[in-house]
Amino acid sequence: DTGVSQDPRHKITKRGQNVTFRCDPISEHNRLYWYRQTLGQGPEFLTYFQNEAQLEKSRLLSDRFSAERPKGSFSTLEIQRTEQGDSAMYLCASSSTGDGSYEQYFGPGTRLTVT
Amino acid sequence: AQTVTQSQPEMSVQEAETVTLSCTYDTSENNYYLFWYKQPPSRQMILVIRQEAYKQQNATENRFSVNFQKAAKSFSLKISDSQLGDTAMYFCAFMKDSNYQLIWGAGTKLIIKP
Repeated sequence: DTGVSQDPRHKITKRGQNVTFRCDPISEHNRLYWYRQTLGQGPEFLTYFQNEAQLEKSRLLSDRFSAERPKGSFSTLEIQRTEQGDSAMYLCASSSTGDGSYEQYFGPGTRLTVT
Repeated sequence: AQTVTQSQPEMSVQEAETVTLSCTYDTSENNYYLFWYKQPPSRQMILVIRQEAYKQQNATENRFSVNFQKAAKSFSLKISDSQLGDTAMYFCAFMKDSNYQLIWGAGTKLIIKP
């Protein structure tokens, strides 16, 4: 198992453009999470999926943000009409309901810079 | 709403020393989980240790141990025999039993000096 992967690792975009990030979880994990981390802060929860169902969304996830997990495997996070305040590290994590540990395994993150 | 507070923005100790990182949290829940995660420079977040609130015994993982004080809502991390590879940001995180989102503290930057 190669762990959680995220693509791209870095993204620079101009304000107003749309961006999409991808997360591939650990293959047997049925839960997938998105967090946002700004410099010098702890991560903030955005949303999570159990299989393909999006079960919870934070109020931080404005209508410009959308996340999908179409087949219960990889997930995408899209930000439309990006703003400078969207600049952050976007972290993806996955976990399994089967192991009872509640441990979330994190990917390396996608660093977004909006200019 | 739950909150997690880490009052030490940065700490620095000599290699082989013992260091304790503080974490307090606020919740009205009775069943929950607490975690310490480590984020090395330019590397991904990894779990250091976890504690179930219903367990009175403090969790230990090799050189890492916690002091969990449920009544005081305190969850400190002790690192014994610190090593250079322990240099990282350390985050304390809380999870309610009924959902799976982690609520995070602001982190403590730990520097181990040779």
